[in-house]
Amino acid sequence: EAGVTQSPRYAVLQEGQAVSFWCDPISGHDTLYWYQQPRDQGPQLLVYFRDEAVIDNSQLPSDRFSAVRPKGTNSTLKIQSAKQGDTATYLCASSSGTNERLFFGHGTKLSVL
Amino acid sequence: GQGVEQPAKLMSVEGTFARVNCTYSTSGFNGLSWYQQREGQAPVFLSYVVLDGLKDSGHFSTFLSRSNGYSYLLLTELQIKDSASYLCAVRDGNTGKLTFGDGTVLTVKP
Repeated sequence: EAGVTQSPRYAVLQEGQAVSFWCDPISGHDTLYWYQQPRDQGPQLLVYFRDEAVIDNSQLPSDRFSAVRPKGTNSTLKIQSAKQGDTATYLCASSSGTNERLFFGHGTKLSVL
Repeated sequence: GQGVEQPAKLMSVEGTFARVNCTYSTSGFNGLSWYQQREGQAPVFLSYVVLDGLKDSGHFSTFLSRSNGYSYLLLTELQIKDSASYLCAVRDGNTGKLTFGDGTVLTVKP
């Protein structure tokens, strides 16, 4: 069984630049999460989907961040104008139905200079 | 709101045990999970509990007390490779959100 796939693995930006992260969840998993994990902190939820619907995006900085999952499979997280405070690892995870087990991708490590 | 607290660091000795504590506050508790995260790697699921008491899964055991908002992960017969960060995560039954603590970095010494 293929795991959760994320790309790119690393990204380095100047402030003000844009970047997109891509996630391919485990096939058949209906729930997809995006977490931001700053160094030495726990994952912090940005947004999560069930199928193509956004269930919670209350922690997503909507002025610069956006996330979509148009067909209920792959998902893209975009930062429109990056800031140094966005430096973190961005983790995608998926789960199936009511199963509490989340499967995480290896993450995208973002550095904003 | 929802809060999950864990001590930042813990040290123990190979062959002994370690207990990683987690306290939480939530308006609608609907289960608690533990994940292991090695340096530079993704979190890996270890255990899920929703009822009070001790759940024994061999090398890892998990305890939950809902009335006290408290859980611990017990690792026995520690090995050097158990050195990692251990993350506690709480599910809010009202919002569905899964909130993680900042993790406890366990160092197992020879």
